[in-house]
Amino acid sequence: NAGVTQTPKFRILKIGQSMTLQCTQDMNHNYMYWYRQDPGMGLKLIYYSVGAGITDKGEVPNGYNVSRSTTEDFPLRLELAAPSQTSVYFCASEQGGAATNEKLFFGSGTQLSVL
Amino acid sequence: QKEVEQDPGPLSVPEGAIVSLNCTYSNSAFQYFMWYRQYSRKGPELLMYTYSSGNKEDGRFTAQVDKSSKYISLFIRDSQPSDSATYLCAMSARSNFGNEKLTFGTGTRLTIIP
Repeated sequence: NAGVTQTPKFRILKIGQSMTLQCTQDMNHNYMYWYRQDPGMGLKLIYYSVGAGITDKGEVPNGYNVSRSTTEDFPLRLELAAPSQTSVYFCASEQGGAATNEKLFFGSGTQLSVL
Repeated sequence: QKEVEQDPGPLSVPEGAIVSLNCTYSNSAFQYFMWYRQYSRKGPELLMYTYSSGNKEDGRFTAQVDKSSKYISLFIRDSQPSDSATYLCAMSARSNFGNEKLTFGTGTRLTIIP
């Protein structure tokens, strides 16, 4: 019963490098999200997806890209890493829809440092 | 003005005390109110969920919503060391897709002292 799995857990990048943060869920959820969490700033939505092939920008999308080719996977791509992207990144999923008691399931996070 | 305001703490209380955590909000469109608990180096997990004004109780936890004052609270009774965590309030209104996009507070770090 894995839930939402994120890899890697930790990564250090040099300025200008690129990388992909992986996220996969085994709950057959339609909706998936990427958040970043900075100290004292709460969780900020980067991108989200409501199903395979459909993605949309969140509150802080600049510098990131996503794709959703399958229901299970929602990778987050950083093309040209900048120090401002140093943060903890969380992937989350939910079944979605008009239900009144939906909840987000979060992964355990990826701590990224850009130096 | 932020849409959601939450006192970051830190808050330290002795074991067994009653804890009160609070958030205020400015967006009248928010319909759903949640509290997430986040242990160190872990992702948040949903603790309480409500969509109406009033109180909702679940064991030692009570969520309170006052829509007229745009104010929500989480009360923890008989607090335990295992309650030590960061507590994030979250709120949502319907998006264009119909799913609930959440706006989070900054989180309050709570420590229960044995």
